[in-house]
Amino acid sequence: DQQVKQNSPSLSVQEGRISILNCDYTNSMFDYFLWYKKYPAEGPTFLISISSIKDKNEDGRFTVFLNKSAKHLSLHIVPSQPGDSAVYFCAASRVGGGNKLTFGTGTQLKVEL
Amino acid sequence: DADVTQTPRNRITKTGKRIMLECSQTKGHDRMYWYRQDPGLGLRLIYYSFDVKDINKGEISDGYSVSRQAQAKFSLSLESAIPNQTALYFCATSEPTGGQETQYFGPGTRLLVL
Repeated sequence: DQQVKQNSPSLSVQEGRISILNCDYTNSMFDYFLWYKKYPAEGPTFLISISSIKDKNEDGRFTVFLNKSAKHLSLHIVPSQPGDSAVYFCAASRVGGGNKLTFGTGTQLKVEL
Repeated sequence: DADVTQTPRNRITKTGKRIMLECSQTKGHDRMYWYRQDPGLGLRLIYYSFDVKDINKGEISDGYSVSRQAQAKFSLSLESAIPNQTALYFCATSEPTGGQETQYFGPGTRLLVL
């Protein structure tokens, strides 16, 4: 049972344009959501997070939007840069869940010149 | 220097062998985790530890064991390796904040079981 889903395995965007990565979840008990970025041969790096009491969180070029009624979150990268090319994982945790993270399967983002 | 280190970074072993993957951290975090990543499956939790005396099974603990030797060290063992344990293994740490926590990952160990 995949509780966190990233339905797009890959995404290609031109440099300077917006990248939108999507994530859906099924467990309504999740209350904290995170995005991690992963380069080849490296571990996942924390990028940005959002609590379920918010619907938007912004950090520089990165913004995460949360739509609780739709159980959907998205990561916007504006403007996209070649260095953003990586695999992006969405993850979720819940109150009382011992901070255990449930990960999506990842989306490979390629930013082209 | 990296805050979370893993050794070895790459390992090839044979079916039936016992191997140990090690994780060390300088972040001073109490909580440590072991995950594995398989193609198309994201990261899945194997074991986690909230302090030196606390060990908990994760989603996929069968075939694995762990040891928390100190606050800074958390080892993962495969008692008798099998080919379907070929994967990328990641260690992570976090600090209890009374609310929502962020986990920080090591660089990973690539394991191949022949």
